[in-house]
Amino acid sequence: GENVEQHPSTLSVQEGDSAVIKCTYSDSASNYFPWYKQELGKRPQLIIDIRSNVGEKKDQRIAVTLNKTAKHFSLHITETQPEDSAVYFCAARPRKTTDSWGKLQFGAGTQVVVTP
Amino acid sequence: DAGITQSPRHKVTETGTPVTLRCHQTENHRYMYWYRQDPGHGLRLIHYSYGVKDTDKGEVSDGYSVSRSKTEDFLLTLESATSSQTSVYFCAISDWEKNPSGSPDHEQFFGPGTRLTVL
Repeated sequence: GENVEQHPSTLSVQEGDSAVIKCTYSDSASNYFPWYKQELGKRPQLIIDIRSNVGEKKDQRIAVTLNKTAKHFSLHITETQPEDSAVYFCAARPRKTTDSWGKLQFGAGTQVVVTP
Repeated sequence: DAGITQSPRHKVTETGTPVTLRCHQTENHRYMYWYRQDPGHGLRLIHYSYGVKDTDKGEVSDGYSVSRSKTEDFLLTLESATSSQTSVYFCAISDWEKNPSGSPDHEQFFGPGTRLTVL
């Protein structure tokens, strides 16, 4: 089945700097790659996603890039702010059938700490 | 937040006792999922449902069972709880036809979580 590896496990950045989190996946048929943010004590929430027919997607200060050949995708956060401190999870949707539609394989998470 | 609730929100129980966690949704989404979250492991899928009475195993299903007798409820049962099942449990929903936020059809919406401690 699909396997998603996420690095680094922790990331400390100064406010205003950029943060990059990288994930690799194993199933070349995976075609959907979301990123979730989880603040302390809260539920995970989708912040950005990308489909396999797109190489890059941006939404204000966050962007995601996808390299299908290398089977890796990355989250980029620019001009980091203290409120960006959270755990970030990448995920990949493996080869699907109608019944397994929507199943996601998550990475282990990255704890991002933004220091003022 | 999408209309997803979990109950109980916190539970402490003893090894060997049965435990049932409930996920309730008001969005009429077809797909429902149970995850457990542990440090260093991210979110791991326990079981999921693709319709009423239609369920399948995820990657960490041993020791867990589920039932879905109606669209809005998805129950997770630990028949005989063990200390290794101490975790935070999240329910999630999704549906390709309906999306309360209007965002792309693949989004999973998570419930608030249940913290379970097995002593």
